[in-house]
Amino acid sequence: DTEVTQTPKHLVMGMTNKKSLKCEQHMGHRAMYWYKQKAKKPPELMFVYSYEKLSINESVPSRFSPECPNSSLLNLHLHALQPEDSALYLCASSQVRGYGYTFGSGTRLTVV
Amino acid sequence: DAKTTQPNSMESNEEEPVHLPCNHSTISGTDYIHWYRQLPSQGPEYVIHGLTSNVNNRMASLAIAEDRKSSTLILHRATLRDAAVYYCILRDPTNSGYALNFGKGTSLLVTP
Repeated sequence: DTEVTQTPKHLVMGMTNKKSLKCEQHMGHRAMYWYKQKAKKPPELMFVYSYEKLSINESVPSRFSPECPNSSLLNLHLHALQPEDSALYLCASSQVRGYGYTFGSGTRLTVV
Repeated sequence: DAKTTQPNSMESNEEEPVHLPCNHSTISGTDYIHWYRQLPSQGPEYVIHGLTSNVNNRMASLAIAEDRKSSTLILHRATLRDAAVYYCILRDPTNSGYALNFGKGTSLLVTP
């Protein structure tokens, strides 16, 4: 298995909702990442997990809460989002200090 | 991470070679040069990486200048499926941050 699987592919949520994005990989990668991508912009790093521990938080607002329950799973919990948080959320994985990242196809999030 | 400079856009004819340039004049001795591409509605995809020597794989070739201050990604025969945004990224695997940080990239248009 050489894929990163993200679910759901599309999500529409209200500003008072709580939802979660899920990311899964079975390549034995011990580093996992969340990126946010606005339309026609490059991906922006949000969080990095290494060996299931949060190693980088790029000053992301607390309404985004990441979780890495095991070495194959990465979640992003969403609460009280704003319309400007609407974007494509990408998950990626790699070997720790590895050269090739594998990205999922993303979850397209719309906040209404 | 050191900064890279790429043209905003390039255009190529189908079945012609494409040379995508990247300038990185402040590259450090331990920075690897990575190329990723992002097709429409997909997550980024690893293309190739190198340190000093030219590199070839099934997708592309990477030509690195002798002083390492610039590099060129070469697609030998462009197809319509190669239309994507191409990102040149420097990354030092010895850096504890070990995360990809994307610049603006080059949007490649391939015409029949």
